[in-house]
Amino acid sequence: DAGITQSPRYKITETGRQVTLMCHQTWSHSYMFWYRQDLGHGLRLIYYSAAADITDKGEVPDGYVVSRSKTENFPLTLESATRSQTSVYFCASSMLGTGELFFGEGSRLTVL
Amino acid sequence: DAKTTQPNSMESNEEEPVHLPCNHSTISGTDYIHWYRQLPSQGPEYVIHGLTSNVNNRMASLAIAEDRKSSTLILHRATLRDAAVYYCILRDGIAGGTSYGKLTFGQGTILTVHP
Repeated sequence: DAGITQSPRYKITETGRQVTLMCHQTWSHSYMFWYRQDLGHGLRLIYYSAAADITDKGEVPDGYVVSRSKTENFPLTLESATRSQTSVYFCASSMLGTGELFFGEGSRLTVL
Repeated sequence: DAKTTQPNSMESNEEEPVHLPCNHSTISGTDYIHWYRQLPSQGPEYVIHGLTSNVNNRMASLAIAEDRKSSTLILHRATLRDAAVYYCILRDGIAGGTSYGKLTFGQGTILTVHP
């Protein structure tokens, strides 16, 4: 039972480069989420998706792009990475919108 | 969105019960109360949730005040593995609402468990 997996787990990139963080879940959950976690800010919602081809902004969407062409995948793209996007990114999924989220292990991104 | 207030940190001894409080005085009638925890270097983990009645599961118990303006997460016998940040979160329970399904995490309570 693979569950929810994120890749890469660690990434170092430079300012201005495009970066894509992948998230894959094997449960066919309808809802998927991207959060970022920074010291002093806790977890903040970037984008979420209620189903394939349905996405919506969270608290901090600027500088990020998402897509969801298949139920099981929810990639997060930083089109032009900035140092302020250095963070730990968590993907999560939920069968319905009932609040029981299953989180991945996180992707630690460093932007130099 | 309704907010929650939790103490920044709490301490406990191993094998003793732990009561983690949460205040949510602006909770609406359709808000569910969720608790998550985050162990060091891991993603958050669902613990328990409830609406009005007290709830029990294998991990913990959730006691909800009669007026629903506060709740308490109870760990019956703390272990060293329970040392984590515990988040109390309100979730809009209106299906199809603009915030349905989303969880907004606060700062949480850092629980330290002493051997």
